Amino acid sequence: SAVISQKPSRDICQRGTSLTIQCQVDSQVTMMFWYRQQPGQSLTLIATANQGSEATYESGFVIDKFPISRPNLTFSTLTVSNMSPEDSSIYLCSGWRETQYFGPGTRLLVL
Amino acid sequence: GQNIDQPTEMTATEGAIVQINCTYQTSGFNGLFWYQQHAGEAPTFLSYNVLDGLEEKGRFSSFLSRSKGYSYLLLKELQMKDSASYLCAVRDRRNSGGYQKVTFGTGTKLQVIP
Repeated sequence: SAVISQKPSRDICQRGTSLTIQCQVDSQVTMMFWYRQQPGQSLTLIATANQGSEATYESGFVIDKFPISRPNLTFSTLTVSNMSPEDSSIYLCSGWRETQYFGPGTRLLVL
Repeated sequence: GQNIDQPTEMTATEGAIVQINCTYQTSGFNGLFWYQQHAGEAPTFLSYNVLDGLEEKGRFSSFLSRSKGYSYLLLKELQMKDSASYLCAVRDRRNSGGYQKVTFGTGTKLQVIP
């Protein structure tokens, strides 16, 4: 199995600011993903974090709004830029190695 | 694209059996997951089916029929702690590069009552 940690676990931010979420896996994973889960909803894939190259974004998500880095096989960051209240959500990091594992999530509230 | 359908809510009695269905439409199907998610927590892996048939794991079993685009999760001897959302997720290949993408359904909120 893989153990995934995220920082911060939660934050309250002002609109117009940016927040960077860190994801650390305890061992190498083949792929890393970022999901968003809004209250009472299921998970929506934001992007796949690719090591050493630009992330692959899903429809409706763009790099300017959600820049992602993945400098190595165990670490990734997601930035939520120029935040608005609509960005209030839980952001989940996920890693793939034989199956898919999830981090505990980052609860973001934008005022 | 993908279309994944599962019931929004279900209620079942402690000690009973409940079946949660999931239907999907996708190209390049490469497996189906079931996850359990308690309120305020991250999803936890329950099962992964690639081939047709029933996979049993303790009180939980998962079934897949690829020709019908259908899966179910069967929970036996229900316990109060089984109250959670159950997410069906489908893995497929992108058209280019063989990349594997996992898409989640909206989840089924199961309430177990005494």
